[in-house]
Amino acid sequence: EAGVTQSPTHLIKTRGQQATLRCSPISGHTSVYWYQQALGLGLQFLLWYDEGEERNRGNFPPRFSGRQFPNYSSELNVNALELEDSALYLCASSWTGEYGYTFGSGTRLTVV
Amino acid sequence: SQQGEEDPQALSIQEGENATMNCSYKTSINNLQWYRQNSGRGLVHLILIRSNEREKHSGRLRVTLDTSKKSSSLLITASRAADTASYFCATRGAGDYKLSFGAGTTVTVRA
Repeated sequence: EAGVTQSPTHLIKTRGQQATLRCSPISGHTSVYWYQQALGLGLQFLLWYDEGEERNRGNFPPRFSGRQFPNYSSELNVNALELEDSALYLCASSWTGEYGYTFGSGTRLTVV
Repeated sequence: SQQGEEDPQALSIQEGENATMNCSYKTSINNLQWYRQNSGRGLVHLILIRSNEREKHSGRLRVTLDTSKKSSSLLITASRAADTASYFCATRGAGDYKLSFGAGTTVTVRA
């Protein structure tokens, strides 16, 4: 069974540009979660999608947005990039309900 | 904001020794989970303990949960070099499906 896949692995952008990160969940998982892990910090919850709908959003500005497609894959968009957006962005998927998450390997975004 | 707080922040032990780390949280939970992260990669799910459970085992891992103290502990027995990683506790609140993670404990196992 394929795990959660994220692309690209690394992304370098200039301040003010837009970044698009992609995530494919494990087959059958309908929930996708996005987290930001800045250097030296823990995981900060960004967004939760389930069945194509945004279910919950963390304490991040509106320039962080995303969507979930009919095949349950997901996209995270970050507009007007700032230097502080440099971080490892992790995507996870799970069954809906009381289950653990399966994480992808992450996209390391560097804003210069 | 972080829900869980791990203690200690860092731990260095000799191969073969046991490693214990603690997690405290603030609000009522549905379950608590532990994850491992190697070298800034993705997290791996280790174990889930429900709010009505007090102890759970998985291989060399032992997790306890004390809901009255809002705390949990993770014990890794007979540690190996491959256990070198960061360990995170994560809590799921009642009626919520997202996990809130702590800042993690970095464990170094010396050969």
